[in-house]
Amino acid sequence: EDQVTQSPEALRLQEGESSSLNCSYTVSGLRGLFWYRQDPGKGPEFLFTLYSAGEEKEKERLKATLTKKESFLHITAPKPEDSATYLCAVQVSSSGSARQLTFGSGTQLTVLP
Amino acid sequence: NAGVTQTPKFQVLKTGQSMTLQCAQDMNHNSMYWYRQDPGMGLRLIYYSASEGTTDKGEVPNGYNVSRLNKREFSLRLESAAPSQTSVYFCASSVYGDRGTSGTYEQYFGPGTRLTVT
Repeated sequence: EDQVTQSPEALRLQEGESSSLNCSYTVSGLRGLFWYRQDPGKGPEFLFTLYSAGEEKEKERLKATLTKKESFLHITAPKPEDSATYLCAVQVSSSGSARQLTFGSGTQLTVLP
Repeated sequence: NAGVTQTPKFQVLKTGQSMTLQCAQDMNHNSMYWYRQDPGMGLRLIYYSASEGTTDKGEVPNGYNVSRLNKREFSLRLESAAPSQTSVYFCASSVYGDRGTSGTYEQYFGPGTRLTVT
């Protein structure tokens, strides 16, 4: 069974204090790993797709990396507006589920001014 | 370009009542999805439609039906609502990211419908 585990469940940072969120996965045949940001009362907002181990993508203060077993979302010098829940999801290549995403439970990030 | 829109935003139902959640996208995407989100459970797929005219069950389809009305619209129906269906419902649509044999489907989400069943 495909599993996605995110840690920590919640993270509080001071403004400017860099840190990383973790997404570990157990799947057969990873097709892609996705990061989303979700603000309270809103739908998830797409951030990145990573396809293979060693790949990295950046957007403003966020940088996502991928290994064979996990992905990290690094947040450099965060600001209060980065406060949100960050969701990780995987897509696997097994027949019949090519379009399905399996989501982790998310990391709730709070950045204090 | 509104992206993915959902109606209504909020709904309260009594046990046994029925209702339809509406979803539309203007991005010319082929695939559409319905998820529910519950505290501590993450997003779980209810049904999806790979293309117009097709629908398939996801992880938690019991108690729901769907209709892919046309390429733009995908509705979710609760025939007899139960308190266990209290949740936030999200619709999503996807574009095919052309990676050859390793193609992926990046999904874009609507704002959600918060449903309470009493």
